[in-house]
Amino acid sequence: AQSVTQLGSHVSVSEGALVLLRCNYSSSVPPYLFWYVQYPNQGLQLLLKYTSAATLVKGINGFEAEFKKSETSFHLTKPSAHMSDAAEYFCAVIRGGGFKTIFGAGTRLFVKA
Amino acid sequence: GAGVSQSPSNKVTEKGKDVELRCDPISGHTALYWYRQSLGQGLEFLIYFQGNSAPDKSGLPSDRFSAERTGGSVSTLTIQRTQQEDSAVYLCASSLASGGRGTDTQYFGPGTRLTVL
Repeated sequence: AQSVTQLGSHVSVSEGALVLLRCNYSSSVPPYLFWYVQYPNQGLQLLLKYTSAATLVKGINGFEAEFKKSETSFHLTKPSAHMSDAAEYFCAVIRGGGFKTIFGAGTRLFVKA
Repeated sequence: GAGVSQSPSNKVTEKGKDVELRCDPISGHTALYWYRQSLGQGLEFLIYFQGNSAPDKSGLPSDRFSAERTGGSVSTLTIQRTQQEDSAVYLCASSLASGGRGTDTQYFGPGTRLTVL
């Protein structure tokens, strides 16, 4: 069985500070990993995805994530938070070759002025 | 171009009634997904379609839930004899799934908020 764990349901950072949202996965086969963002009153949109190419993946809005097989992690980072980054972020996994997407519980990011 | 659309945007129903939720995917997208988003449960996979067939129905919570897709396009999620615990936002997504890949980007609709009284 595959699963996704997001550490911290809420994360608060100051504007300009580093953003680090944690995601760990379990999968018996090489996974495909995703980060999605949901802005207030908007639909989900893809931030970035790992599909077994480069382990460091760059996404939209300055976000990036690194796949670390030894740590079974896919943490999301951004060097400098902006007020507009306030949203809920979801990590997700698909078992290699499949379609069923398993989402983590989500982490709500707050950005303080 | 048009994105994924869902209707209705909001639905309030009484316990025991049946409801139908509709999803119009992006034109040309062969894969279509249904998810449920509820407080305390996060985003839960329900079912996906490749064309008109549903290879994986494992996420449907009970036999009260069913879904179909016709013409490789529009999909309907039906909940029979609704219960209060069915209250949630139901999200639909579609992807190209070119080459049969599940990794193609999923594009999400705005969702249908279902409230069962």
